[in-house]
Amino acid sequence: KAGVTQTPRYLIKTRGQQVTLSCSPISGHRSVSWYQQTPGQGLQFLFEYFSETQRNKGNFPGRFSGRQFSNSRSEMNVSTLELGDSALYLCASSSTSGETQYFGPGTRLLVL
Amino acid sequence: SQQGEEDPQALSIQEGENATMNCSYKTSINNLQWYRQNSGRGLVHLILIRSNEREKHSGRLRVTLDTSKKSSSLLITASRAADTASYFCATFHSGNTPLVFGKGTRLSVIA
Repeated sequence: KAGVTQTPRYLIKTRGQQVTLSCSPISGHRSVSWYQQTPGQGLQFLFEYFSETQRNKGNFPGRFSGRQFSNSRSEMNVSTLELGDSALYLCASSSTSGETQYFGPGTRLLVL
Repeated sequence: SQQGEEDPQALSIQEGENATMNCSYKTSINNLQWYRQNSGRGLVHLILIRSNEREKHSGRLRVTLDTSKKSSSLLITASRAADTASYFCATFHSGNTPLVFGKGTRLSVIA
C-alpha cells in the first residue's frame, strides 16, 4: 500500500496570506488527523476527520480549518497567517480512532 | 491535561548500550503507543500496547505498561547510531477521542 502523502512538502508564505495543505491517506483509512509541531509547543493536535465529518478539534483559533472529501483525502487551511504559524504540519491516517496512526512526511511552512 | 510525559527529555548513550524511556499519563487508557521521529520527518509507529497487556516485544524493542502506576517504558536493546531520533508516547483514552502525544525523548546514540 502507498503511504500517507502530503503536498506541498515545503512552503514559504508572508504574514496575512492564507495556505492550503493537502493530505492523501492510506487507501481504506477513513480517519485523518492533523498536527502542528513546533520546537516550543511540541506536537499539538489540530483536528480529526472521519468519513467527511470533523470528529475532534484541538485548541486552535478559527483561522485553522479543514475538510475531508468523499475519497478520504483531506485539506487544512490556515487563513491570515501569523509568524507563529511557522511549523511542521503533519497528517496521519488510521483505520479508526485510537489505533495505529500512519504519518505523512509533513509540510514545513515558513511564514515571513 | 491528559497529555503523557516522557522522561528523560534527552538521553545520550554509546552504541551497543540499552536505552530506556519512560512515559507517564494521568487518566485511564485504552491503549498506549510509541512512535519514533527522525529529525524533521513524519512519525513512525513502533508498537501499541493495550490496557490489558503488561509487556510487548518487537525486535529490539520492549514495552511495558503498568496501569496501576499509569506509566509505560520503552527499552531499546543494543542501540545503534540509526536509533538516534525522538521517541513519543501517545495515549488513547476512549471512544472517538484523539491520540494524545507527549513531548518526546530525544535519544542520541554515539558510535
